[in-house]
Amino acid sequence: DTGVSQNPRHKITKRGQNVTFRCDPISEHNRLYWYRQTLGQGPEFLTYFQNEAQLEKSRLLSDRFSAERPKGSFSTLEIQRTEQGDSAMYLCASRTEQWRVGTQYFGPGTRLLVL
Amino acid sequence: RKEVEQDPGPFNVPEGATVAFNCTYSNSASQSFFWYRQDCRKEPKLLMSVYSSGNEDGRFTAQLNRASQYISLLIRDSKLSDSATYLCVVLSRGSSNTGKLIFGQGTTLQVKP
Repeated sequence: DTGVSQNPRHKITKRGQNVTFRCDPISEHNRLYWYRQTLGQGPEFLTYFQNEAQLEKSRLLSDRFSAERPKGSFSTLEIQRTEQGDSAMYLCASRTEQWRVGTQYFGPGTRLLVL
Repeated sequence: RKEVEQDPGPFNVPEGATVAFNCTYSNSASQSFFWYRQDCRKEPKLLMSVYSSGNEDGRFTAQLNRASQYISLLIRDSKLSDSATYLCVVLSRGSSNTGKLIFGQGTTLQVKP
């Protein structure tokens, strides 16, 4: 499968715990995005990487959130001291600069439930 | 006010019907527009881009009215497999190089036999 992959697909955690999600983009895609989607809403932009550089972060990304993309390949999104409001689907998307900017390929998402 | 607004529906239509979805955006400087489709509990997938002159892809027609800041999607001859949530998407002008997409909340379509 050459699409975007995300792990884990589901995560249940208790409030206050730390969680980390992983995204593996399509191999030739140098641009990677994280979005968050809550029930009944469209995805909301969280952050953007071009290769290993994190070039944009949303105000939604509080200081409890950190994202990395070492070596410009896979990316991780960590949430520290989780809160119930963090419960959502976390989506990763990637694209290559050769494609039209709006064509982003999404992974299946990681569904987080904070109890 | 949300930057991209859609009627969430649901739209319940019989097979073969024609259905239209509308969307408005607030940033007049927005440059590019798209419709994404999202099946239940799946990831969004690009359905089609929206061009100023209007564009068609099979049973799907997208139109853009920049003066009214309005985007539409028309689906003709609805199929059961068209049942999904349709997301109106705008490329944020301030980040045209970033490629940050601004999504509406989506319109749910249910096509009935």
